[in-house]
Amino acid sequence: DGGITQSPKYLFRKEGQNVTLSCEQNLNHDAMYWYRQDPGQGLRLIYYSQIVNDFQKGDIAEGYSVSREKKESFPLTVTSAQKNPTAFYLCASRGRVREARWAYEQYFGPGTRLTVT
Amino acid sequence: GENVEQHPSTLSVQEGDSAVIKCTYSDSASNYFPWYKQELGKRPQLIIDIRSNVGEKKDQRIAVTLNKTAKHFSLHITETQPEDSAVYFCAASMYGNKLVFGAGTILRVKS
Repeated sequence: DGGITQSPKYLFRKEGQNVTLSCEQNLNHDAMYWYRQDPGQGLRLIYYSQIVNDFQKGDIAEGYSVSREKKESFPLTVTSAQKNPTAFYLCASRGRVREARWAYEQYFGPGTRLTVT
Repeated sequence: GENVEQHPSTLSVQEGDSAVIKCTYSDSASNYFPWYKQELGKRPQLIIDIRSNVGEKKDQRIAVTLNKTAKHFSLHITETQPEDSAVYFCAASMYGNKLVFGAGTILRVKS
C-alpha cells in the first residue's frame, strides 16, 4: 500500500476541539503533503513539506497547522479556527521514479475521515 | 497559480466502449500530469502519468495524450469494463510537487 499510513481511519470530534491527524511513511521520501477532499470535489492542498523542519502553506491552510520534526512523520492539526473541518483528509509523499533524475510521483495514504459536530 | 479544469463531470459508457476524459491547465510551467482513480471511500491510486517531454503514453487499455501548446491533456480508456467504474482525477504540477487537481469525473461502465 505504498508505505504511507494514516490513523485513525474515522475520527469524530465536537466543534471547538483541536484534533491531530497522523501520517507516517517508511519510503524515505523527503516531501510530504496534506490534501483535503470534500464530497464530489477534487483534492485541495493544505500544507506541504519538502524537507525535515520546513513546511509551506498550500491553497487552504487557514485553520490548520503542521510540524515536520522527523522525515517519516507529518502530522496535521485541525484547529477550532477551521470553519468547515468535516472532510476526508489525505496525506501523500513524493518519491523519485526509479532511474529517472527529475521524475517524481505522489503516493497517497488511506485517508482519515473527520466528522465534526 | 495553476488552475485545472476537467470534463465531463460524469460519463456513462457501455461495457466495451471507450471513455475519454479531458483536462486543461493554465500554467505553462507545469510539466507533470498524473491521472488518479479513486473508488468510493478509498485513496486515489495513480494509474498513469505523462511528463511534458512526451506527447503520448500507453499502458495496456489506458493512454494519456498531452498537447503543451493548447495546454490540455486527456485520458483514454479502451474496452471499458465494470471495474473501471470510479472517479477519475487529473492533476498538474511541476516535477510532481504541489499537485493541483481537477474536480473529477465519475465514470460509470454499464454492463
